[in-house]
Amino acid sequence: GAVVSQHPSWVICKSGTSVKIECRSLDFQATTMFWYRQFPKQSLMLMATSNEGSKATYEQGVEKDKFLINHASLTLSTLTVTSAHPEDSSFYICSPSQGGYTFGSGTRLTVV
Amino acid sequence: AQSVSQHNHHVILSEAASLELGCNYSYGGTVNLFWYVQYPGQHLQLLLKYFSGDPLVKGIKGFEAEFIKSKFSFNLRKPSVQWSDTAEYFCAVMSYSGNTPLVFGKGTRLSVIA
Repeated sequence: GAVVSQHPSWVICKSGTSVKIECRSLDFQATTMFWYRQFPKQSLMLMATSNEGSKATYEQGVEKDKFLINHASLTLSTLTVTSAHPEDSSFYICSPSQGGYTFGSGTRLTVV
Repeated sequence: AQSVSQHNHHVILSEAASLELGCNYSYGGTVNLFWYVQYPGQHLQLLLKYFSGDPLVKGIKGFEAEFIKSKFSFNLRKPSVQWSDTAEYFCAVMSYSGNTPLVFGKGTRLSVIA
């Protein structure tokens, strides 16, 4: 099946710093990437949708200036959490619209 | 808007017991349905999916699910659970229009005890 590589797997950062999360499709081209986050003991919630070569669309309540998404190529989509705060601590996971409904391995972000 | 309801938050079973996890969705149109499993410390893994055809879908690891359109349900079943089935299980729905994100239920934690 399709393989999605997500890095880093986990990251701890200080409050106020930025963190970049990468998702790469290894054996297929992903024109659309869905970004989800999962808070402890909750389900995955869609944050935003990135489209190669165009602006991302964000779900209600998700700050586009805080969660910067770049989808510059058909194999790479990135999510940057800018000026991270403890409330941003969560599990972030990507999933391409193509690729058989697979998911990246996720990134556990802890902001201290 | 679509929504998915998983009724059981935490299920505890003994090994060899039968499993049924409930999932109901709300959406007026045609949907695709999924069950994912997340083992401790691991990423989501697709167990099975339903798009069309036989409403009884067989997945990996001995799991199956039945789509009952009249009940808007897609319950997950396994006749005999093992300790290794201990995990979080998520039901998800996607509208049939395609290229759309999944909407997940809140998940059911399954603990299998020896």
